[in-house]
Order: sequence, then C-alpha cells, then structure tokens
Amino acid sequence: LAKTTQPISMDSYEGQEVNITCSHNNIATNDYITWYQQFPSQGPRFIIQGYKTKVTNEVASLFIPADRKSSTLSLPRVSLSDTAVYYCLFDSGGGADGLTFGKGTHLIIQP
Amino acid sequence: DAGVIQSPRHEVTEMGQEVTLRCKPISGHNSLFWYRQTMMRGLELLIYFNNNVPIDDSGMPEDRFSAKMPNASFSTLKIQPSEPRDSAVYFCASSLGPFLDTAYEQYFGPGTRLTVT
Repeated sequence: LAKTTQPISMDSYEGQEVNITCSHNNIATNDYITWYQQFPSQGPRFIIQGYKTKVTNEVASLFIPADRKSSTLSLPRVSLSDTAVYYCLFDSGGGADGLTFGKGTHLIIQP
Repeated sequence: DAGVIQSPRHEVTEMGQEVTLRCKPISGHNSLFWYRQTMMRGLELLIYFNNNVPIDDSGMPEDRFSAKMPNASFSTLKIQPSEPRDSAVYFCASSLGPFLDTAYEQYFGPGTRLTVT
C-alpha cells in the first residue's frame, strides 16, 4: 500500500513563507507529484505539479530532491486567505489503489 | 466553462434507501474520477473512467456501490442499499489525461455531502 506523511497542521503569520513537506517513499518512477488546496465545503484545487528539482508558478514553488521520496510545497508571503488544507498527490502504481492523496496539512494563517 | 457540476449538493437519507449522485464533467475532458472524503480516511479514489469506460474500480468499497458513465457528459455513483457508514463527501473530478496519469491536473466538483441516518 502507498504511504505518505504530511504534518497534520501548521500555523504561521501573514507575510511569512510557509513550507509543507510530504514524504512518499514508494512513488512510481514516472509519476508526477501534485499539490492541491482545499477550502471548507469545496473540492480540492490544483496548486502546482512537478517531477524533479524545482518548479515555480505564480502562487507557489515545489522542491523535489533527487531521490523523489519527498516534496516540499513553499508558499511565499502567505495571507489569511491561504488558510486551507493542503494535500500532496502521487501514484505508487497499481491502479486506483496506488493513487494516493496525503492526509492533508491544515494550514492556519494568523494576522 | 462552468467547471465540474455535481448534484445534489446535500443528501440526507435513511439507511436502506438507494442514493444516486450525479456528475457532469468539464466538456472535452476524457477522464472522470469519483472520490470519497471522510475525516478518518481522507480522500479515497473509488473508480475512474476513460472515454466513458470504467478502467479501475478497485477502490469501490463494496458491491453496494456502482458507477456508470453512459456518455461523455454524465456519470452517476449509486449506493444501494445505503448504510450510515457511507456518510461522507463524494467528489467527482475530471481531467484531460488519457488514463490515470498524475501529469494531468484534476478538476474537482463542489462535492455531495451524503448523510445516511
């Protein structure tokens, strides 16, 4: 079975940089790592995706080490509206059973 | 595009009743996914379709669950008979990806909150 580990919750303050790490020891060789954001009463929403090294878009950066057994989502200068649950998603192979969302990290941003 | 549309948004039913959840994927997307979310188990993939064909239903918990996709713009997830432990939020998602490929972003609907009493 696929295993993934994320911190259950994190606190930070407006204007700070927040880094959330997900470990995924048995990721499939050709698979991408994707991060999603979820607000209450909404479906998850795509944030960023990468395969290796570093990816940056207008909202976040994603750092993936060479062994790809973990990934770190970096949110620069967070605001109150970044308070949400953040999930990493990867595929360890084996069809639907292998597609694994992490348990999610509840990020709380305070003023 | 309106995004992925799900109905109903909320469903409350009694144990033993049949429940049907509906999903309209984004036009042009050829993969569709059904997920279940609970506090205990998080997000679980139940089944996914490609070009209206069920590809993998290994995540479906029991025979009481069934899913269909009669055409490219409509899918249903049915629970018959429903049980209290089926209470959860059920999400439908669609993507451009040809198969279960994490290189393709999944677009999620708003979910259906199911309560079985």
